[in-house]
Amino acid sequence: AQSVSQHNHHVILSEAASLELGCNYSYGGTVNLFWYVQYPGQHLQLLLKYFSGDPLVKGIKGFEAEFIKSKFSFNLRKPSVQWSDTAEYFCAVKYNQFYFGTGTSLTVIP
Amino acid sequence: KAGVTQTPRYLIKTRGQQVTLSCSPISGHRSVSWYQQTPGQGLQFLFEYFSETQRNKGNFPGRFSGRQFSNSRSEMNVSTLELGDSALYLCASSLAPGAVGGEQYFGPGTRLTVT
Repeated sequence: AQSVSQHNHHVILSEAASLELGCNYSYGGTVNLFWYVQYPGQHLQLLLKYFSGDPLVKGIKGFEAEFIKSKFSFNLRKPSVQWSDTAEYFCAVKYNQFYFGTGTSLTVIP
Repeated sequence: KAGVTQTPRYLIKTRGQQVTLSCSPISGHRSVSWYQQTPGQGLQFLFEYFSETQRNKGNFPGRFSGRQFSNSRSEMNVSTLELGDSALYLCASSLAPGAVGGEQYFGPGTRLTVT
């Protein structure tokens, strides 16, 4: 079965710190890649996506992610986090269906 | 454009009962997927429907079933509820399974508690 691994389960950062959340997947074929975010009390929303072209994709709220095919990775980054970035982040891979990671809970301390 | 809607938002049931959850996708979206979200497990895929046909099914027992109607609205049913079925059930819609980009848009979920 295909799988998506998010290595960091809980991350705590101070405001202005840089963020990198890891995501690795197991399927070697053509995939679409996504990061979703779930803010406290809100539903999942799309942060960014990759399906072709430039492997460095930019999303909303200053987030970006880099697709490295050779490493089966799609890591999420943000240069400077804010308190409002406190949320749960999910990496997802789609080839015939969506596969989600178990999520990373990010807490940003003011 | 209205988002994905799910009803009811909260539900409390007793072991052994059955439950039906409803999902209305974004207008124009014809693909609907269902997920079970629990702490520490992330989102577990239940099934996906497109044009009233189940395209994919996750690794859940047969007590979990679903269907899609001609207007793309979808329902999922869980029979003989168990305590472990307590979770947030999410519905997601997308244009079509093979659409370029293919992102899913999620509803707020139905919080099911089984006592």
